[in-house]
Amino acid sequence: KAGVTQTPRYLIKTRGQQVTLSCSPISGHRSVSWYQQTPGQGLQFLFEYFSETQRNKGNFPGRFSGRQFSNSRSEMNVSTLELGDSALYLCASSPGQGVTYNSPLHFGNGTRLTVT
Amino acid sequence: SQQGEEDPQALSIQEGENATMNCSYKTSINNLQWYRQNSGRGLVHLILIRSNEREKHSGRLRVTLDTSKKSSSLLITASRAADTASYFCATPRVGSARQLTFGSGTQLTVLP
Repeated sequence: KAGVTQTPRYLIKTRGQQVTLSCSPISGHRSVSWYQQTPGQGLQFLFEYFSETQRNKGNFPGRFSGRQFSNSRSEMNVSTLELGDSALYLCASSPGQGVTYNSPLHFGNGTRLTVT
Repeated sequence: SQQGEEDPQALSIQEGENATMNCSYKTSINNLQWYRQNSGRGLVHLILIRSNEREKHSGRLRVTLDTSKKSSSLLITASRAADTASYFCATPRVGSARQLTFGSGTQLTVLP
């Protein structure tokens, strides 16, 4: 099975712009979660999507949004970029609801976003 | 916010030695998971231990869990240069299995 695929791998944007990141989960996985990783704050949960619906959201401003399509692919969008949004954005998939807690996440290699 | 701290923050050992990393957490948990991250890459799941388990093995990995102390440890035996990576513990939020709270991580360097 192919793993979780994230595109693009690297992105450089200017303050004030917006950006869209893409994630294709493992085939058959219906849940997609997004995480932000920075040197200062570490790994932080952004949101989770299942069946095209946002199930949970972390403590991030409304500039961070996402969506999921019927084929389980997901996108996240950050509007009005700030310097502090520079981070590695990781997407993770799992089979989804109906599966017990004891099912690990499968991560992609991330998108490295640099805001200048 | 971080669930807890990992100790040590950085660890440097020689190939063939054992490496032990510790993780503390703050709230009740359903399970605790360990992940590895090679530089600039995604996280790879290593092992999951349920709250009713005290010890679990997987190859050269041994994980212990002490729920009374809210702590876990990861032991890597006979380390190899390829084990050089950051290691994170993570716990799922109650009510949300896929919302993980990660520790701060331990950077392990295995010298050849």
